[in-house]
Amino acid sequence: GAVVSQHPSWVICKSGTSVKIECRSLDFQATTMFWYRQFPKQSLMLMATSNEGSKATYEQGVEKDKFLINHASLTLSTLTVTSAHPEDSSFYICSARDGAAYTEAFFGQGTRLTVV
Amino acid sequence: KQEVTQIPAALSVPEGENLVLNCSFTDSAIYNLQWFRQDPGKGLTSLLLIQSSQREQTSGRLNASLDKSSGRSTLYIAASQPGDSATYLCAVSSSSNTGKLIFGQGTTLQVKP
Repeated sequence: GAVVSQHPSWVICKSGTSVKIECRSLDFQATTMFWYRQFPKQSLMLMATSNEGSKATYEQGVEKDKFLINHASLTLSTLTVTSAHPEDSSFYICSARDGAAYTEAFFGQGTRLTVV
Repeated sequence: KQEVTQIPAALSVPEGENLVLNCSFTDSAIYNLQWFRQDPGKGLTSLLLIQSSQREQTSGRLNASLDKSSGRSTLYIAASQPGDSATYLCAVSSSSNTGKLIFGQGTTLQVKP
């Protein structure tokens, strides 16, 4: 299947700083990527849909100024957690499809963010 | 609003058993349903994708079925092995969106040697 690579796999940062997470589609182009968040022992919740060349679409309740998404190319989307706080500590996972909306979704390895 | 439920939340079986994981969804207007495996602290590995027009998909010891009209899917694992221990997630892609997935809470499976 298609490969989605996420970096870094884990990061620890101080409260108040910003952290950038990258999501790359390695062997295909993705006009749309998705960012999910997962709390311990819970399922994945969609945060936003990243659209190449345009603004991201955020789910209800997700602060767009806190979670900045940039989809500058067909193979790269970035999520920046700005002014991170301990409550932002979570597992962030990106996803992309090699094709239309009804095709198989592939996920990155995830990023464990810990804010201290 | 689409809601996805997985039962049971946790399951422990001895090695070699056949088992069934259940997934139900409230809105039958879906593009497809996908089953994933997640190991602790890791990302998701796609196991099977069933399009809305299909009834089942098979891959090795895994078989997934879909009954769209009743809003149900099952993942059948044959001859379970300790390496199958993981959390299994089902997710649906609804017809009314751009392909985002709605996930169930997952079933955590432990296969004991």
